Amino acid sequence: AQTVTQSQPEMSVQEAETVTLSCTYDTSENNYYLFWYKQPPSRQMILVIRQEAYKQQNATENRFSVNFQKAAKSFSLKISDSQLGDTAMYFCASCLFSGSRLTFGEGTQLTVNP
Amino acid sequence: EPEVTQTPSHQVTQMGQEVILRCVPISNHLYFYWYRQILGQKVEFLVSFYNNEISEKSEIFDDQFSVERPDGSNFTLKIRSTKLEDSAMYFCASSGVASGGPYEQYFGPGTRLTVT
Repeated sequence: AQTVTQSQPEMSVQEAETVTLSCTYDTSENNYYLFWYKQPPSRQMILVIRQEAYKQQNATENRFSVNFQKAAKSFSLKISDSQLGDTAMYFCASCLFSGSRLTFGEGTQLTVNP
Repeated sequence: EPEVTQTPSHQVTQMGQEVILRCVPISNHLYFYWYRQILGQKVEFLVSFYNNEISEKSEIFDDQFSVERPDGSNFTLKIRSTKLEDSAMYFCASSGVASGGPYEQYFGPGTRLTVT
């Protein structure tokens, strides 16, 4: 079974600054996929970034990047140049293969302050 | 850009009533899912569906739940006899095949179910 843990229930950052959200996971598998989803107040789940465990290179999507440490089972999300629209709940999630269930962490509520 | 749609956006029902939540997945996707999120809690997996049958289900998905793909586009979740604790946001998601294609799951906007 997979577990995903987010130990930061809430975080805040000033607009234009950088913030890092933490995520750790546990799995006995060698191949799996990791994701960060954003859930704004509308409660829509929006995919932010994905990472394949077999890839050593950290994924980046514009202002969003990850620090994937496979041995430590850590998958943190860095948001650069934070914007007010980044205010949302952020969920870390994992799945074993295409078509398998996503396992979510508890979420981190990020507030970007003007 | 293709997206997953869900109807209704909000459903209020009385305890013991049956409800059907509807989803239209992205048209070329092959895997379909239902998740739920009780207010203030994390998102929980209910069931996945592939090739017209359930491929995986969680312990939450008991006999009062069922899923169906009645035609080529809709994917439904039925709760036979709702309980107060079924009150939650229900998300539908879909994903494609990973043979070089996308494997990430795309979520619909959710249906907020309130059981009174």
